[in-house]
Amino acid sequence: EVQVEQSGTEVKKPGESLRISCKLSGYNFDTYWIGWVRQMPGKGLEWIGIIDPSDSDTRVSPSFQGQVTFSVDKSISTAYLQWDSLDASDTAIYYCARRKTAVLNSAFGHWGQGALVSVSS
Amino acid sequence: QSVLTQPPSVSAAAGQKVNISCSGSSSNIGSNYVSWYQQVPGTAPKLLIYDNNIRPSGIPDRFSGSKSGTSASLGVTGLQPGDEAHYYCETWDVSLRAGVFGGGTRLTVL
Repeated sequence: EVQVEQSGTEVKKPGESLRISCKLSGYNFDTYWIGWVRQMPGKGLEWIGIIDPSDSDTRVSPSFQGQVTFSVDKSISTAYLQWDSLDASDTAIYYCARRKTAVLNSAFGHWGQGALVSVSS
Repeated sequence: QSVLTQPPSVSAAAGQKVNISCSGSSSNIGSNYVSWYQQVPGTAPKLLIYDNNIRPSGIPDRFSGSKSGTSASLGVTGLQPGDEAHYYCETWDVSLRAGVFGGGTRLTVL
């Protein structure tokens, strides 16, 4: 059974850095693209980007280009989303999700529970 | 402003059916499969339909998907109170070289 476990709530100040994690299990970690989705308070889902764990190839939405960094640690089957300098507008729930098949543009078949990031001075 | 356009809300009586539309362009829906997700408030999204019209195991056949040209549609029949949620379409955009979601549609069961 595929499981997607995300790190917990983060409360940060503007300008601080942050890395949130997403541990996946129950399958071969290298095989499926892993994506990140933002949901701002009371708003819809926004596609941030996606990473291929086998070689760290990434695709990033133009709206998020240069704002976040994607990485993986294959030794612990974990994906990361990182900010170098947070802004209050980064306050949101961030979901990690695994593609249903090994194809880049397939559906997100497995979702994490979401990680709340709150940025306030 | 989302690349994919969905109606903000739809409603219908329990037992009835509803369709939720998702309109795009030749660079996204017109050239890629469409997926649909259900999000009950306070929970993570759940995959309802993939590859335009395929239901994952465990999704009741009351949910169906279709695609024609640059538009897609999610159909829900026999509406139940538990179907009240937000519904999102998603596909790949070849121009953006990234995925895109629709703005979401809130379904209310009267």
